Amino acid sequence: DAGVIQSPRHEVTEMGQEVTLRCKPISGHDYLFWYRQTMMRGLELLIYFNNNVPIDDSGMPEDRFSAKMPNASFSTLKIQPSEPRDSAVYFCASRKAGTANTEAFFGQGTRLTVV
Amino acid sequence: EDQVTQSPEALRLQEGESSSLNCSYTVSGLRGLFWYRQDPGKGPEFLFTLYSAGEEKEKERLKATLTKKESFLHITAPKPEDSATYLCAGPMNSGYSTLTFGKGTMLLVSP
Repeated sequence: DAGVIQSPRHEVTEMGQEVTLRCKPISGHDYLFWYRQTMMRGLELLIYFNNNVPIDDSGMPEDRFSAKMPNASFSTLKIQPSEPRDSAVYFCASRKAGTANTEAFFGQGTRLTVV
Repeated sequence: EDQVTQSPEALRLQEGESSSLNCSYTVSGLRGLFWYRQDPGKGPEFLFTLYSAGEEKEKERLKATLTKKESFLHITAPKPEDSATYLCAGPMNSGYSTLTFGKGTMLLVSP
């Protein structure tokens, strides 16, 4: 299994531009998570999906952020318009459902720089 | 509010110098405590899950333990390749489907 695949690995964009981050979860996983990591705040959950349905988006910082999961093998996180304070590493993770809380597997992340 | 707190923030060891990292949590009804390793420029990599007080798990030079209030990651005779940031996480209050992470301990092992 190739693991969770994210693209692009790096993105540099100008303030005000639209940015789309992409994620392919591990096949057969029921949950998909989007996290953001910064030095100041660590790893923060933005939104998660269960069986392609958004369950909790309370971590999405503003209306400028949106996420979709059109099918079980693809998800996007969009920022429109982007701002310098959005600069961070964005991680996608996936895991199987289970009776106990099972471990999540992370992608390599997308390092976003907004200038 | 559920919280996961890790200490120290950073730790520098000499090769072979054993030590422990701490993770304390205030998560009600804990259902699993997770340890991850993160190398620079990479995503967190799963290490261990502990489900009940008294449980222990080992992997090479790492051993994770769990009490009712905290977890320890013991590193025995570390090597430079153990240098990484170690993250612990517990299920968030909302239905236990998601994890809340501590800020991590950055470990540097010098040869």
